[in-house]
Amino acid sequence: QVQLQESGPGLVKPSETLSLTCTVSGGSISSHYWSWIRQPAGKGLEWIGRIYVSGNTNYNPSLKSRVTMSRDTSRNQFYLKMSSVTAADTAVYYCARDLYIVTAASFYIDQWGQGTLVTVSS
Amino acid sequence: QSVLTQPPSVSEAPRQRVTISCSGSNSNIGNNAVNWYQQLPGKAPKLLIYYDDLLPSGVSDRFSGSKSGTSASLAISGLQSEDEADYYCAAWDDSLNGHWVFGGGTKLTVL
Repeated sequence: QVQLQESGPGLVKPSETLSLTCTVSGGSISSHYWSWIRQPAGKGLEWIGRIYVSGNTNYNPSLKSRVTMSRDTSRNQFYLKMSSVTAADTAVYYCARDLYIVTAASFYIDQWGQGTLVTVSS
Repeated sequence: QSVLTQPPSVSEAPRQRVTISCSGSNSNIGNNAVNWYQQLPGKAPKLLIYYDDLLPSGVSDRFSGSKSGTSASLAISGLQSEDEADYYCAAWDDSLNGHWVFGGGTKLTVL
């Protein structure tokens, strides 16, 4: 059973860059797509983007200008950087796995990390 | 404003059946599969239904999914108190190079 664990600073100052790491265990990141999703307190889920082992990425159009994702297969980790953060970026950030159904040519997000709270405040 | 539209809340008595709707468009639900997630308070979302109507291993068959056109539904039968949670639908959207979109979530209250 693959497990995902988010890590990174819990407090980021406005205008600075948020950086998070997702460590995957029980499976290799050298297959599947890997996503970041966030959830402000009391609100719904917002997909941020995803990365494939090749480095191919898809980003939420509304966040694309501020988001960069990368991965390190030797560490079995993938990363999120979000620049120019504001209080509106305060949320629980989840990393997750996108599984692909070959016969259906369809994806679904199946495994999630426990989430990490990032607060943007001076 | 979420791309997929869900009712903010639904409620029903124990042992009854409830449905949660999810409405989208041709670029998402109309052309791609719908997945459903259950989120208990303070927990990460859990996959409940994938590819419109498939149950992951370990998920109770009291949960079922369906889709027609640009709308989908999640049904929960034999309601139990532990079903009280937030439920989210999700689908891939083909526009703008492709991205996941979620519904705003539905809070289920078991009366």
